[in-house]
Amino acid sequence: DTGVSQDPRHKITKRGQNVTFRCDPISEHNRLYWYRQTLGQGPEFLTYFQNEAQLEKSRLLSDRFSAERPKGSFSTLEIQRTEQGDSAMYLCASSLGGLAVNNEQFFGPGTRLTVL
Amino acid sequence: KQEVTQIPAALSVPEGENLVLNCSFTDSAIYNLQWFRQDPGKGLTSLLLIQSSQREQTSGRLNASLDKSSGRSTLYIAASQPGDSATYLCAVNQGGKLIFGQGTELSVKP
Repeated sequence: DTGVSQDPRHKITKRGQNVTFRCDPISEHNRLYWYRQTLGQGPEFLTYFQNEAQLEKSRLLSDRFSAERPKGSFSTLEIQRTEQGDSAMYLCASSLGGLAVNNEQFFGPGTRLTVL
Repeated sequence: KQEVTQIPAALSVPEGENLVLNCSFTDSAIYNLQWFRQDPGKGLTSLLLIQSSQREQTSGRLNASLDKSSGRSTLYIAASQPGDSATYLCAVNQGGKLIFGQGTELSVKP
């Protein structure tokens, strides 16, 4: 296992369309995180999972956003009715987690979303 | 609300120089602090993690310090090289999630 992977790497869509991104964490990691990064800014937390349970969601995650991790392995992030303001880099990270909340997070290459 | 600030926003140095990047945070109730490197259009590469109980971590030419009580961390890069050119981000871990600064864009000139 070489690390966290994300698919697709780039996505261009028209406003109003739905998009779905996938993240595959490092295999033994049970925590999975989603962040969003806009140009010139640091990443902002969106949500995270402990196995299949979604433990926290940021206020940034509007009703148009939904994330799942059905079997505690890969995760999907769906954005419905995309808006131009959704254009950003979507980053996924994973960590060992569990009872030890202070584990190192490892990031994937990101999915760059452009909404026209 | 935790706020993380990085100074300077951008830095340009000649090759071979030693340099220090600064990170400050407003709430000392953190689990750990991570320093990352990000190349343009790429994901984040973890450089160093300092647990809240630690004062310092070293990896090769990199040394990171943490003073939790004053809300400060520094990343020291020794003998900088053009390949070190990138954006450096610090992030504090609160409740499992990372809160990032805006980054310092470093350019090392040959």
